[in-house]
Amino acid sequence: AQSVTQLDSHVSVSEGTPVLLRCNYSSSYSPSLFWYVQHPNKGLQLLLKYTSAATLVKGINGFEAEFKKSETSFHLTKPSAHMSDAAEYFCVVRTGGFKTIFGAGTRLFVKA
Amino acid sequence: SQTIHQWPATLVQPVGSPLSLECTVEGTSNPNLYWYRQAAGRGLQLLFYSVGIGQISSEVPQNLSASRPQDRQFILSSKKLLLSDSGFYLCAWSVRSGANVLTFGAGSRLTVL
Repeated sequence: AQSVTQLDSHVSVSEGTPVLLRCNYSSSYSPSLFWYVQHPNKGLQLLLKYTSAATLVKGINGFEAEFKKSETSFHLTKPSAHMSDAAEYFCVVRTGGFKTIFGAGTRLFVKA
Repeated sequence: SQTIHQWPATLVQPVGSPLSLECTVEGTSNPNLYWYRQAAGRGLQLLFYSVGIGQISSEVPQNLSASRPQDRQFILSSKKLLLSDSGFYLCAWSVRSGANVLTFGAGSRLTVL
């Protein structure tokens, strides 16, 4: 069985400080893992994906994530938050076919 | 490059009225197509997916239906809307094989009054 747990429903950071959004997954197969961002009333935009190549994945807008199989984690990080990063972030697991598991989302607040 | 279009962006409908949301994909052939609903506080729920023209699979029994009359067109419909149909509807596509990226449209906000 597959599952995705985003450990924080809300994260608040100050502009210019690091961002850490946590995601743990469970999968019986080798998963493909994704992070998406959603701004209010917009569609989901792909930030980055892991598909069994390098464990450290770089995405758009300065975000990156590290796949840690031993910890079954895929945490999203950014060295320095910007006001425009305020949005909701979703961790997603796919294992082929049509089965896609979305995390519940983490809302990121960025304070000036 | 591939693009996905969804319309209308916003819709306010009375209870009992019909619904039609449309999604089209450009720049690719034979995509898998999906309809998701995002209700407040409930995450993303897969409603329908399609692997080809006329081939629709339903994930959740409900008041909605989907159709795929052309390879790159996916339509979400209802004959009579319920209050519980309110939400943010997202169309997405992916290539046919493997655990590939889902690419989402901009979404359609439906409010049923």
